[in-house]
Amino acid sequence: GQNIDQPTEMTATEGAIVQINCTYQTSGFNGLFWYQQHAGEAPTFLSYNVLDGLEEKGRFSSFLSRSKGYSYLLLKELQMKDSASYLCAVRDKTGANNLFFGTGTRLTVIP
Amino acid sequence: EAGVAQSPRYKIIEKRQSVAFWCNPISGHATLYWYQQILGQGPKLLIQFQNNGVVDDSQLPKDRFSAERLKGVDSTLKIQPAKLEDSAVYLCASSLGSRTSSYNSPLHFGNGTRLTVT
Repeated sequence: GQNIDQPTEMTATEGAIVQINCTYQTSGFNGLFWYQQHAGEAPTFLSYNVLDGLEEKGRFSSFLSRSKGYSYLLLKELQMKDSASYLCAVRDKTGANNLFFGTGTRLTVIP
Repeated sequence: EAGVAQSPRYKIIEKRQSVAFWCNPISGHATLYWYQQILGQGPKLLIQFQNNGVVDDSQLPKDRFSAERLKGVDSTLKIQPAKLEDSAVYLCASSLGSRTSSYNSPLHFGNGTRLTVT
């Protein structure tokens, strides 16, 4: 099975940096994804990690440590439009190689 | 590239009624998923199709939910009869990846159908 944990809510200030953590337990780890979801909208793909280390994509970076079952999403130079839920998802190659989501972290950016 | 299309956008029904949702994936995407997202939670996988075949429906409540993907393109998800706890957003997603290859293909989601059961 899969167990994915993320903080429920976070608040950060415009222009600042915020780190959203995700820990997971899965029997057949095959990659970790981060998605952004604005209220009432579809999740949109942000990043993918399958090997240990940091992946950088503009203002967003994602880190993975497979031995620790840990990932984080780093958002720099926060903007008001970054207020959204951030979903950590783990692909499990056991069975159908499906993608399983955590409950999401609701980030509120304040002026 | 056109995105994943879903309809209807909203649906309100009474408990014990039936409802159907439709999804048209991105052209060329072999894999199609249906997820259920209850308010305040992450998406929960219901079923995965590879072309027109079911790959995984282990989390689909088969006593009331059914899904099909005829001709390996469009898909429909049906609930019959609906219960109050089925109130949720039903998300359809597609990806290029197959079960055994392209495991890093991201899922592309539609805007979902928001179902309210009263």
